[in-house]
Amino acid sequence: DAGVIQSPRHEVTEMGQEVTLRCKPISGHDYLFWYRQTMMRGLELLIYFNNNVPIDDSGMPEDRFSAKMPNASFSTLKIQPSEPRDSAVYFCASSRLAGGAYNEQFFGPGTRLTVL
Amino acid sequence: KNEVEQSPQNLTAQEGEFITINCSYSVGISALHWLQQHPGGGIVSLFMLSSGKKKHGRLIATINIQEKHSSLHITASHPRDSAVYICAVTQGAQKLVFGQGTRLTINP
Repeated sequence: DAGVIQSPRHEVTEMGQEVTLRCKPISGHDYLFWYRQTMMRGLELLIYFNNNVPIDDSGMPEDRFSAKMPNASFSTLKIQPSEPRDSAVYFCASSRLAGGAYNEQFFGPGTRLTVL
Repeated sequence: KNEVEQSPQNLTAQEGEFITINCSYSVGISALHWLQQHPGGGIVSLFMLSSGKKKHGRLIATINIQEKHSSLHITASHPRDSAVYICAVTQGAQKLVFGQGTRLTINP
């Protein structure tokens, strides 16, 4: 398997523009997570899905952020309008529940977002 | 106070030294994870454990549930072990809460 795939790897945009980050989880994984990493706050969970349904979005900073998972193989994280403080590395990760036990999460390579 | 605390924040050692990174948590957990983040930015899961000890090559992870403490040990450290090591705990279903990370540098 190719692992978790994220695109784009780098995004530079201007304040006020819409940004869409994309993620393809590992096939067969039923959990998908979006994380944000900054120097100040480290890694933070933004939202996670189970079987394409959002379970916990309490980490989403504000209404400018939205995430969707239209099917088991694709998810998007959208920021509209973007602000300089959104500059960070955004990671997508996936995992599966097997035999009633939780498994490790597999991380994508991340998208480095810079908002000017 | 953060729910997950790591120490030290930075660690520099010579090749071959035995390395210990500590993690303490203050919340109930279903599992604890050790992650490795290399300078290129990629994150790899090293261990997930809920009790006892796990070993993979030169890496050993232990957890003491009663004391809410975990340690990551690296034996015979090598410059390629230089990375940020992140402790994270699973609360409830699958929600991860992260420590601030420990930056490890191994000099040749």
